[in-house]
Amino acid sequence: GDSVTQMEGPVTLSEEAFLTINCTYTATGYPSLFWYVQYPGEGLQLLLKATKADDKGSNKGFEATYRKETTSFHLEKGSVQVSDSAVYFCALYNGGATNKLIFGTGTLLAVQP
Amino acid sequence: KAGVTQTPRYLIKTRGQQVTLSCSPISGHRSVSWYQQTPGQGLQFLFEYFSETQRNKGNFPGRFSGRQFSNSRSEMNVSTLELGDSALYLCASSLAPSGSSYNEQFFGPGTRLTVL
Repeated sequence: GDSVTQMEGPVTLSEEAFLTINCTYTATGYPSLFWYVQYPGEGLQLLLKATKADDKGSNKGFEATYRKETTSFHLEKGSVQVSDSAVYFCALYNGGATNKLIFGTGTLLAVQP
Repeated sequence: KAGVTQTPRYLIKTRGQQVTLSCSPISGHRSVSWYQQTPGQGLQFLFEYFSETQRNKGNFPGRFSGRQFSNSRSEMNVSTLELGDSALYLCASSLAPSGSSYNEQFFGPGTRLTVL
């Protein structure tokens, strides 16, 4: 079945460092891909998305490019801030008569001042 | 516009008890999905409702059930609680169910259930 694999955390960075969180997927067809963020004590928020190959999703300085050839959707940010500290989830939606999102296990990012 | 609300935010129960969690979707949203989040299993899909009908169900035992009311509010129930049911239960709403393209789901803050 469809699945998402993302890098284990925690990822600890200093403020203004470059961030990469790896995400790869296994799916039939052409899924839509997402990054969600979960701040402490809150639900999930959609950070960015891409719906077809070579699409680049971007928001709040974060970017991810849908790479079908490598089945990847890595999250990047050029300069992280303390306020970016959160858990990041990679997810896919693969159509059909369901709302079901398939999530990776999440990566905790801790940014130190 | 108010977001998705879930009540209660925290619950403590003992094994064998049952629990009901509530979710109020964003106004105008008619589709509600539930997810279970645990450290070991991550985020797993429980079920989804649209127009008071369960459209899909994840791979969970029959102790997990839900329903949706005519105002789109949804409840989920877990009977005969087990220690492993301790989790954050997240509700998400969308305007309508997704089909060939994805309708964005908006998540609530979750209900933290602890089973002792």
